[in-house]
Amino acid sequence: DTAVSQTPKYLVTQMGNDKSIKCEQNLGHDTMYWYKQDSKKFLKIMFSYNNKELIINETVPNRFSPKSPDKAHLNLHINSLELGDSAVYFCASSQLRVDTQYFGPGTRLTVL
Amino acid sequence: QQQVKQSPQSLIVQKGGISIINCAYENTAFDYFPWYQQFPGKGPALLIAIRPDVSEKKEGRFTISFNKSAKQFSLHIMDSQPGDSATYFCAASIRGKLIFGQGTELSVKP
Repeated sequence: DTAVSQTPKYLVTQMGNDKSIKCEQNLGHDTMYWYKQDSKKFLKIMFSYNNKELIINETVPNRFSPKSPDKAHLNLHINSLELGDSAVYFCASSQLRVDTQYFGPGTRLTVL
Repeated sequence: QQQVKQSPQSLIVQKGGISIINCAYENTAFDYFPWYQQFPGKGPALLIAIRPDVSEKKEGRFTISFNKSAKQFSLHIMDSQPGDSATYFCAASIRGKLIFGQGTELSVKP
């Protein structure tokens, strides 16, 4: 009955690899987000999709590519991973024009 | 101009005391101001939120005070409990885009 779920919870990989993080929400929301939380716990929005359409795209390296197969899923693919990509990535969802965002449990990415 | 400044960075309060966290913003286009609570290893969870046409909102032990002219808002936690120990984030929203403050690590001592 999890509202927003992410897989995997932990991801450890080598520099230069490509990895994906998956997110699913069962709240019936039409908008989904990816956030990055750095080692100082600062949360910053990366992307937002509404009904599979990209509506927010912050200044994120183009090695990061979100993909939304349907409005309940938003995946994050990262190419050529760098040390600085190590962080916790959170998926969130909301209903457009309803501001409350519900966050997933996070994926801790460690790049070695 | 889209920054939200939060203070203090960390806060230690005795059980039963009042915890106060402050935030300030610049962009007057922000139209929604939530507070999120995050426990270690978990995602942020909405605690309480306010819109700029209201000066105060209370839910249980949690109160937001909002000062539109000063562009400041604060979270008050009354009768703080050890279970309130967590990181608290203020945020401001513009067209669904949440801008977070830097976070406050609250520790409530028994």
